[in-house]
Amino acid sequence: NAGVTQTPKFQVLKTGQSMTLQCAQDMNHNSMYWYRQDPGMGLRLIYYSASEGTTDKGEVPNGYNVSRLNKREFSLRLESAAPSQTSVYFCATYLGEGRNTGELFFGEGSRLTVL
Amino acid sequence: RKEVEQDPGPFNVPEGATVAFNCTYSNSASQSFFWYRQDCRKEPKLLMSVYSSGNEDGRFTAQLNRASQYISLLIRDSKLSDSATYLCVPFTGGFKTIFGAGTRLFVKA
Repeated sequence: NAGVTQTPKFQVLKTGQSMTLQCAQDMNHNSMYWYRQDPGMGLRLIYYSASEGTTDKGEVPNGYNVSRLNKREFSLRLESAAPSQTSVYFCATYLGEGRNTGELFFGEGSRLTVL
Repeated sequence: RKEVEQDPGPFNVPEGATVAFNCTYSNSASQSFFWYRQDCRKEPKLLMSVYSSGNEDGRFTAQLNRASQYISLLIRDSKLSDSATYLCVPFTGGFKTIFGAGTRLFVKA
């Protein structure tokens, strides 16, 4: 039982390159999230998907696109990477049903450097 | 005003000390509150949930003050292993979960 799996764990890009971060969960959760974390900034919500087939913008969506491919998978795409997108990216899931336990389950993170 | 504000610290305390930090939130509709713990370069993990006035779990106590819109986390008898960043999350019932920037704690021998 892997929980939340992110790939790749590390990536170095050049400015202008594109890439996709993959997230897959085997927890049968409805909601999935993408956050970025920069030093001193805490976690900032990029996009989220409340349920399969829906996606919504978070706090910092500019420069990113997402796809909720199915219930298990939620990908984050950088079409034209910029140095300001150098960060640690976390995918998270949430059950989304019944009483809100508030517990988000996170992947181990993807460390992206844009040169 | 930010949705969630936390003192970034760092709080440097000796082992055995009691330490407390606050988190203020701007959305009065927040229904429940959560503290997450994040170790260096690791993913956040849920530490405590608060649905009413407070919650206690061993050495950890969370208190909620709805009138003043803040939630506090108290750690008693600090251990070296408590060194981490503590993230506050007020939840409004939707899916847009916003985290505070976190408070760093260092416990020294």
